[in-house]
Amino acid sequence: QITLKESGPTLVNPTQTLTLTCTVSGSSLSTYGVGVGWIRQPPGKALEWLAHIYWDDDQRYSPSLKSRLTITKDTSKNQVVLTMTNMDPVDTATYYCAHFLGGGNSAYVNYWGQGTLVTVSS
Amino acid sequence: DIVMTQSPDSLAVSLGERATINCKSSQSLLYSSNNKNYLVWYQQKPGQPPKLLTSWASTRESGVPDRFSGSGSGADFTLTISSLQAEDVAVYYCQQYYNTPYTFGQGTKLEIK
Repeated sequence: QITLKESGPTLVNPTQTLTLTCTVSGSSLSTYGVGVGWIRQPPGKALEWLAHIYWDDDQRYSPSLKSRLTITKDTSKNQVVLTMTNMDPVDTATYYCAHFLGGGNSAYVNYWGQGTLVTVSS
Repeated sequence: DIVMTQSPDSLAVSLGERATINCKSSQSLLYSSNNKNYLVWYQQKPGQPPKLLTSWASTRESGVPDRFSGSGSGADFTLTISSLQAEDVAVYYCQQYYNTPYTFGQGTKLEIK
């Protein structure tokens, strides 16, 4: 059974940097074909893929947000960390950690974390 | 970016009846080298994360009831629920993973009539 748990602040000020951590259980981040990443969902809106990182450290980013995102992994802790700079109220959303299967430009999410609501407000 | 468009935006179906949700992509999701369609369907119930229903357009995930079926190829896809149950009330999303950036449909809200 694969589980993912998000942790991080629930409230950030505009212009601040958001750091979210995903802790994965039941799947090793060094296993071939495995990726872990982030997808967000503004309240009442659709899903938006942000970034993911593969077992071999290959990273994929949303082009529209790439300049603001950094994704890294710590295999020893089985954790993935996402940082997003220059936060704005429009970034208010539930941020989901997601477990991907695949490689290169083609991978799909087979497990999701419960999500964490991040509000951007002063 | 590949644009995913679902129809309808909302749907009300009677218990036991068939529900059909459509998804159209702005380009083909069929990869010719392996003849696979890079499309998934998710179900999202209120206050919960999405749940994977089907991958490769039509491969049902383990544990998903067989009343759920995905079909289609190229740029036109369908999710069918053969006999609607009360627990199927949710928002359904299609998503392409043919290429990054991965993109989702806007969602279809399914309710009981």
